[in-house]
Amino acid sequence: DSGVTQTPKHLITATGQRVTLRCSPRSGDLSVYWYQQSLDQGLQFLIQYYNGEERAKGNILERFSAQQFPDLHSELNLSSLELGDSALYFCASSQSGGMGEKLFFGSGTQLSVL
Amino acid sequence: GQQVMQIPQYQHVQEGEDFTTYCNSSTTLSNIQWYKQRPGGHPVFLIQLVKSGEVKKQKRLTFQFGEAKKNSSLHITATQTTDVGTYFCAGRGNSGGSNYKLTFGKGTLLTVNP
Repeated sequence: DSGVTQTPKHLITATGQRVTLRCSPRSGDLSVYWYQQSLDQGLQFLIQYYNGEERAKGNILERFSAQQFPDLHSELNLSSLELGDSALYFCASSQSGGMGEKLFFGSGTQLSVL
Repeated sequence: GQQVMQIPQYQHVQEGEDFTTYCNSSTTLSNIQWYKQRPGGHPVFLIQLVKSGEVKKQKRLTFQFGEAKKNSSLHITATQTTDVGTYFCAGRGNSGGSNYKLTFGKGTLLTVNP
């Protein structure tokens, strides 16, 4: 158990809908990362937060948004969902988001868009 | 942007054979990390390499960081069925805002025939 909690574990929804994925980092970790994993694209970095502020941005679509709350949990919002958004979404955390830190991954949320 | 390429995509070996996966970055890296993801699981941190030419060992696993800090390899000696999984390299950039972004390769899926 990495200590990173992601909910829900599975999500099935329809195209055009909006969903929210939730992540609670390890106790004491201030930085949260979101990754999308699909079979053909591997682990794609979406976005990183540190102590409530956005620190780095990857290939995150405009239909996607995220935030980190004062209690350090984070939410990833996906809207106007398309079939191609079906993937495994991982949240990871690290202590301060510094360059030398390892990431601790949650178990992921499997999103299926039908 | 920074790209991290990993080969091979798949590798099937007989138990007891050796295995190597290679990672190449389009830009110089400040450090490189390796993760392992078991089937149905989440990525788990294995090791980080920071120095040019660095070599680290963990039991049967040997990790190398290239002299130019643009490539890395993971070698497993005498594979066991417990080594099954996808091995990812992940690199952090060396300049500007890309420093915080940890870019993953697409991974090498290792299967071991007992």
